[in-house]
Amino acid sequence: NAGVMQNPRHLVRRRGQEARLRCSPVKGHSHVYWYRQLPEEGLKFMVYLQKENIIDESGMPKERFSAEFPKEGPSILRIQQVVRGDSAAYFCASSPQEGNGYTFGSGTRLTVV
Amino acid sequence: GIQVEQSPPDLILQEGANSTLRCNFSDSVNNLQWFHQNPWGQLINLFYIPSGTKQNGRLSATTVATERYSLLYISSSQTTDSGVYFCAVNNDYKLSFGAGTTVTVRA
Repeated sequence: NAGVMQNPRHLVRRRGQEARLRCSPVKGHSHVYWYRQLPEEGLKFMVYLQKENIIDESGMPKERFSAEFPKEGPSILRIQQVVRGDSAAYFCASSPQEGNGYTFGSGTRLTVV
Repeated sequence: GIQVEQSPPDLILQEGANSTLRCNFSDSVNNLQWFHQNPWGQLINLFYIPSGTKQNGRLSATTVATERYSLLYISSSQTTDSGVYFCAVNNDYKLSFGAGTTVTVRA
């Protein structure tokens, strides 16, 4: 009865490197969401995906950030050329229906040094 | 978007004490959830409660949708209750989170 699986739990990158965060939704869930939590703040919406489709990426920075949810495999949040300001906890959630029944993963803590 | 305000921002409790956390939201919502983020950063879903009252062990929650607020009750607090409690609401697929209440339970 696995929930949302995120990996890695912790990720350290040097400035300018790429970060890849993975999220496997609950089995049977076709809706995936990514949220970012900056230090001592609440979670902020980044992107909403369904299989092979980006539904809403309005919360994602226009440059360096991209997300995908392929037909097979986990959802990926990719951050290119990371900067110190990208240091945050990134949470993935999935749901069986749009906007209902969310399950969150344990998050990936990205530290940019 | 929907504004979510949580109070108090910080709460220090002696083990065994009871407490009430509040969440106010600016518009009617279809969905309201309470989460606990433990000291290791994990986000645990406590309640899905768009209206009414629910109980789970020492925790209970009440949402009065017509008055746009929700309350989370912690009874007989334990040190493992420490962490940040978030309220989140939505009408579509975007959850709007409050800033959280940081609870510290001292032995």
